[in-house]
Amino acid sequence: EVQLVESGGALVQPGRALTLSCSVFEFTFADYALSWVRQAPGKGLEWVGFIRRKTDGGTPEYAASVRGRFTLSRDDSRGIAYLQMKSLRLEDTAVYYCTRFRSGPGSYIFDYWGQGALVTVAS
Amino acid sequence: YVLTQPPSVSVAPGKTAEIACGGDNIEEKSVHWYQQKPGQAPVPVMFYDSDRPSGIPERFSGSNSGSTATLTISRVEAGDEADYFCQVWDRIGDQVVFGGGTKVTVL
Repeated sequence: EVQLVESGGALVQPGRALTLSCSVFEFTFADYALSWVRQAPGKGLEWVGFIRRKTDGGTPEYAASVRGRFTLSRDDSRGIAYLQMKSLRLEDTAVYYCTRFRSGPGSYIFDYWGQGALVTVAS
Repeated sequence: YVLTQPPSVSVAPGKTAEIACGGDNIEEKSVHWYQQKPGQAPVPVMFYDSDRPSGIPERFSGSNSGSTATLTISRVEAGDEADYFCQVWDRIGDQVVFGGGTKVTVL
């Protein structure tokens, strides 16, 4: 069964940094792009960014709201994706979901989701 | 690119729920749909406008025409009560766009 498991969620002060990890199971990590989606309390889904598989360049793309503060990376040898967050703001408080990001005809889909990691930014 | 969904839809059990997702010339894009129940991660219920992922009941169907994509749930059951989000890939900016979500309430 395909699984994605996030870790690293925590309570952090504004302006500080935090890194989330995403471990995957039962699929070949290197064959897929990985994406992060967040959901603030009581709000909708917000795309954070994604990182391409190495065969597509391994490059990331970011939502405007996090560009320059968040960094996506991947370690194909370990099957882990990372979301490094710095200069955290109160509005970054959310559940962060790691997702498998599958490409198809002219589009991308989130076909598997982790259970989420809660990041709370508060003083 | 902006996707617009109605905040809520109410439907009686056994009836049909239609959830709209509006966007400029959305018919030119592929629309995907996700169901999210309280306290749970989203689950895909429709890909590429009208393709049901494995395990999704045939009661779920989708369409996309003009400026509106629609997720239709036939013979609605209590277990269909959830938030539903539409999503597209914006090739212009290499960005994912989500609709604001629609809360489906089963009366």
